[in-house]
Amino acid sequence: EIVMTQSPATLSVSPGERATLSCRASQSVVSNYLAWYQQKPGQAPRLLIYGASSRAIDIPDRFSGSGSGTDFTLTISSLQSEDFAVYYCQQYSNWPGITFGQGTRLEIK
Amino acid sequence: QVQLQESGPGLVKTSETLSLTCTVSDGSISTYYWSWIRQPPGQGLEWIGYIYYSGRTNYNPSLKSRVTISVDTSKTQFSLRLSSVTAADTAVYYCARLPNSAGAKYAFDIWGQGTMVTVSS
Repeated sequence: EIVMTQSPATLSVSPGERATLSCRASQSVVSNYLAWYQQKPGQAPRLLIYGASSRAIDIPDRFSGSGSGTDFTLTISSLQSEDFAVYYCQQYSNWPGITFGQGTRLEIK
Repeated sequence: QVQLQESGPGLVKTSETLSLTCTVSDGSISTYYWSWIRQPPGQGLEWIGYIYYSGRTNYNPSLKSRVTISVDTSKTQFSLRLSSVTAADTAVYYCARLPNSAGAKYAFDIWGQGTMVTVSS
């Protein structure tokens, strides 16, 4: 199994500031098939980033993804009130399959 | 706009089989992978498995012995069966679309709203 480790577990940031979330894989992610999701309480996750750096449809450009191999980053350039949520990374491999990180909770400072 | 909707019992008895169905509306079930993902209360996301419209499947190795995912293209539905359930299987179960070619390749781009399933004796 490819283990995805997200850090920090909780991140406290003030509105308007930049947030940087990290995701590290236990082995190289094939073809950078790495995605990021946002989840708010009581809601299904929403796709933000796929292919490590491509924004999904209707995602604001303050969200950006970067990285390759085993180290990936999600950056939110200027936090809005609606951005405080839990964020998950996810990798795809044909074998043994798909795994998620444990999540980073982004909270208001 | 494709929408996904999970359906099935909200309560399953210990040792029995959990069965859920996801209906794909306003779109074709062909071309994509269709997946099940779950989330225990207060915890993270766990991928269960996916199926292609042709019937080819791939399961999480940790659940493989208990999981069956099937597809009914005529009804544009796919289903999950999880056998021998215990309290550890209590979770919100989501169905989701996984593109395998163009677009958000190998990322879950459309999700159902989720359905809570509780396992109890």
